[in-house]
Order: sequence, then structure tokens, then C-alpha cells
Amino acid sequence: EVQLVESGGGLVKPGGSLRLSCAASGFTFSSYSMNWVRQAPGKGLEWVSSISSSSSYIYYADSVKGRFTISRDNAKNSLYLQMNSLRAEDTAVYYCARRPGVVIWGQGTLVTVSS
Amino acid sequence: QPVLTQSSSASASLGSSVKLTCTLSSGHSSYIIAWHQQQPGKAPRYLMKLEGSGSYNKGSGVPDRFSGSSSGADRYLTISNLQFEDEADYYCETWDSNPWVFGGGTKLTVL
Repeated sequence: EVQLVESGGGLVKPGGSLRLSCAASGFTFSSYSMNWVRQAPGKGLEWVSSISSSSSYIYYADSVKGRFTISRDNAKNSLYLQMNSLRAEDTAVYYCARRPGVVIWGQGTLVTVSS
Repeated sequence: QPVLTQSSSASASLGSSVKLTCTLSSGHSSYIIAWHQQQPGKAPRYLMKLEGSGSYNKGSGVPDRFSGSSSGADRYLTISNLQFEDEADYYCETWDSNPWVFGGGTKLTVL
């Protein structure tokens, strides 16, 4: 079964850091670009960051550029998002997602930034 | 960069059909989009990829009740024989220099 499972969310104070992980299974992870998409409470979906299959190409939304770092470990079938200098507006459920082709979504992990 | 415009809400009766619209901004009418469904409290679910020609490819397990079509810059998601479990938020998305561009989503209520 093709599956993505996120972990690492939690409560963090403004200015703090958090590292999210996404474990992939059921497909050849190293063949796909991977992505992080977030959803603030009661809001729509917002793209955060993308990384190509070999990590050669990396993209960030302007809202997180310079604060977040996406990475992957193809040997471990894992995707990561290092989040630094967190702000209240980063509070959201963070989903990892596989593309291209049929989009596969993870179940999401909640990040709450609050003092 | 394309912009996707969706109505904020829609409603239809159980067993009827509904057609949701996603409109691409000027200069982007040929773009391929995807439709995603998000039921309350759940992660999004990929429904289909939809081309400007109206050709679409659905994800695994997506019921036959879901179909796509296109006209100019408009991309449509039609749900036939509406069921209560179809009550959800529906998002269209596309890609360009930014890998993902989302519409604002349409909240569908099944009456």
C-alpha cells in the first residue's frame, strides 16, 4: 500500500524550531519529487516547499523562505522539514505529498506555535 | 503565475448532481489542473487530473459518480447521485513556477 506518514508536530514557542518527518512506503521513493503543504485552522491549502527526486531542485513559498529547510534521505525513504524562527502564523496541519502523477497525501501533523 | 478561482460554497440535495467550477486566470486557460477532496477532519484526497481538452484521469478508488470536464478557462468537477459522504471541501490546484497553486476551495453541503 502506498503510504505517507508524517511525524514531529507539536507545540512550540514563537522563535522556536521543529523538525517534521515523513516516512514513505509502498513506492519507489527515490523516483518522485516530494512536497510539504500546510493548512492553517479553518483555512485552505497552502504549498510550503518542494524537493526533486535527487534533491537537485528545491523550492520554497515566500512565506517560509529563509526559515524552513526541506531535505530528503532516499536511503531511508524519508522527507524532512526543518522549521526555524517559527511564528504564530505557521500554526497549521502540515501534510507531505507525492507528485507527479497520482497525488498521494499523508495524514498530516499539527504544528502549534504559541507562547 | 496562474490564479485559480472557486466559489466559496455550494449545496445540492441528496441523490442529485452538482457541478463545481474552477476558473484559471487570463493567459493560463490551457493549464492542467487537479481536483482534491477534503472531508471534515481528514487529509485531502486526490480525485483526478483534468486537462483543457476535458480529458481526465481519476485516482484509485474514486467512484464513477465523479467526473471532470472543461470549457475554455473553466474546469469542472461534477458529482452525480450525491451522497452524504460527498459533503466536503473541494480544492483545485495547478502548477507553474511554483510547484503547487491552490484555489480557495468550495465547501459542498449535501442537503
